[in-house]
Formats: sequence, structure tokens, C-alpha cells
Amino acid sequence: DTEVTQTPKHLVMGMTNKKSLKCEQHMGHRAMYWYKQKAKKPPELMFVYSYEKLSINESVPSRFSPECPNSSLLNLHLHALQPEDSALYLCASSQPVGELFFGEGSRLTVL
Amino acid sequence: QQQVKQSPQSLIVQKGGISIINCAYENTAFDYFPWYQQFPGKGPALLIAIRPDVSEKKEGRFTISFNKSAKQFSLHIMDSQPGDSATYFCAASIKVRGGKLIFGQGTELSVKP
Repeated sequence: DTEVTQTPKHLVMGMTNKKSLKCEQHMGHRAMYWYKQKAKKPPELMFVYSYEKLSINESVPSRFSPECPNSSLLNLHLHALQPEDSALYLCASSQPVGELFFGEGSRLTVL
Repeated sequence: QQQVKQSPQSLIVQKGGISIINCAYENTAFDYFPWYQQFPGKGPALLIAIRPDVSEKKEGRFTISFNKSAKQFSLHIMDSQPGDSATYFCAASIKVRGGKLIFGQGTELSVKP
């Protein structure tokens, strides 16, 4: 079982809704990541937090808003999404220079 | 320069056979080459990884072969089993700088009983 826990596993939302994805790790990792994965494609990096500070934003639209409340938690706030944002959203963690561990993902459907 | 090219896109192997997936890169600064295995509906899981100072690494039925001069690396799955059916992603990064992983496009492996 993965040590990176993501909730919810499935989420359906309308284009006017506001929702959040949550991620938690207890491995003492100091870097946490959000990836987006479309079917039959590799994961695409969205955001990286290092020591609870946003270090990488891969030019992600502002309708996606990350938050890192502490070293174990990572949130992704969603607002006014488009149907093309439907995807598997993966959280990952690592030491700043270390192996990347992924969660099982949150499957998002935008209607 | 930042791309990792992976082939084949899909692969069908008989049970007990050898599965071979190949990747090529251009950036000679890459110093970390992991392989991830992903089952449907699950997140990718690290399978095996290699650094360019070794030419081969073996873990159970899984072997990475690395050719630094050709800038290529490959995953061999010996005695392939139906339970190995998954999508495999190679990746590369500049580890020492904590650089981001550059993923290949993935190979969908199907092992037939």
C-alpha cells in the first residue's frame, strides 16, 4: 500500500463548483508534488512544494490553486474547471533529492 | 534536449517470455533513470532505478541495462507473468540538483497466459 494518501478517490464536479483534493504523507518527506495524468499519457508536473514553499509552478491555470498547510499535507483547490481538466490527479512526495513516491490519485470528472 | 523517447508504445508477450522496453535521451546531464510501473486506476510505483556509473542493475526478474555512450537504457522483464501487465514509464532527471523527472510516453505491456 502506498504511503501517500489521497482523498477523495473519485470526484465529480460542475464547472461552477469549488472543490479540493487532499494529500497526506507521513514519511518525513520535505518535497510534495501535484501531477496531472490523462489516459494513456505520462504524468505531467503541475506544482512542487519544497520545505512548504512553492518552488515550481509549471504555468498551471489559476483555476488550480495549491496549498501546503504543513510538511505532511498538500491540497489542490479547484474552481471554475473545464471539462478538459478531467484527469487523474496524482500527489507525490520525496526528500528534496530522493525517490518519488506517488499516491493512488484522485479521479476528477468535470461536467 | 529534455525529452525521453520510449518504445514500443505497446507490447504483447507470452507468459514466460522476456519483455523489453527501450528509452533514449539527449541530455547528458541526466544522472538518474528510474522505471515506474502503473496498474489501471493506481498511481505509478517505482520499480527500479539506475545511475549512469553502472551498466546494469538487477532486482528479481527486472533488469535495467544502461548504455551511456549511446544514451539509451532499457528494462528487461524476465519470465514475464500476467500480473506484470501494466503501463511502464521510463524517466530521467538531474538528481543531484533535485531536478524534475522527465517521463517517457509509456509502454502498455500485456502478458498473455
